[in-house]
Amino acid sequence: AQKITQTQPGMFVQEKEAVTLDCTYDTSDQSYGLFWYKQPSSGEMIFLIYQGSYDEQNATEGRYSLNFQKARKSANLVISASQLGDSAMYFCAMREASNTGNQFYFGTGTSLTVIP
Amino acid sequence: KAGVTQTPRYLIKTRGQQVTLSCSPISGHRSVSWYQQTPGQGLQFLFEYFSETQRNKGNFPGRFSGRQFSNSRSEMNVSTLELGDSALYLCASSREDRKGYTFGSGTRLTVV
Repeated sequence: AQKITQTQPGMFVQEKEAVTLDCTYDTSDQSYGLFWYKQPSSGEMIFLIYQGSYDEQNATEGRYSLNFQKARKSANLVISASQLGDSAMYFCAMREASNTGNQFYFGTGTSLTVIP
Repeated sequence: KAGVTQTPRYLIKTRGQQVTLSCSPISGHRSVSWYQQTPGQGLQFLFEYFSETQRNKGNFPGRFSGRQFSNSRSEMNVSTLELGDSALYLCASSREDRKGYTFGSGTRLTVV
């Protein structure tokens, strides 16, 4: 089974509108971390937001918020007031703790295009 | 504050050769992790180092190895290169709380 599933290969959003990028995960661990990264065409990976499995409140970082639904094992990224510079690939990732250390898993990514 | 520095940015190697990639983390970060990104397999975790010790390793053959020095700089080595090793290799460093990882710009390796 896939550890991280991003079902939206591509998304379009009008500038200044909000958009939700979906992410579901699979783990039997109690302690894990969820991340979202942005990868523009330049190739660098930019950290956006982090949610710990024990965090009771949804994480927010500026225009980014993470809609964390633990029972459903989903960690959707919400980008408010989209900007042209938000056009990029977005990756959802999970850090899972094993008895030998951390394992990291990434989704296949969602390509977001912001339309003027 | 300097970011994560990866060298070289681009590399072309021949099948059968070996290659060493370097990663200098953000000052004060003791955790460094490495990832491979290819169009076919996506992003995959290679290994993570903390205080010179490998914490864990992803599902890669023994040809992929790494190490971390006392100043937290890390190197990744791939021996007996194969065409399929062509990829963007990314490293990331993090604070001890591991709640955020800062990536370098990557090394694009092409094996011919």
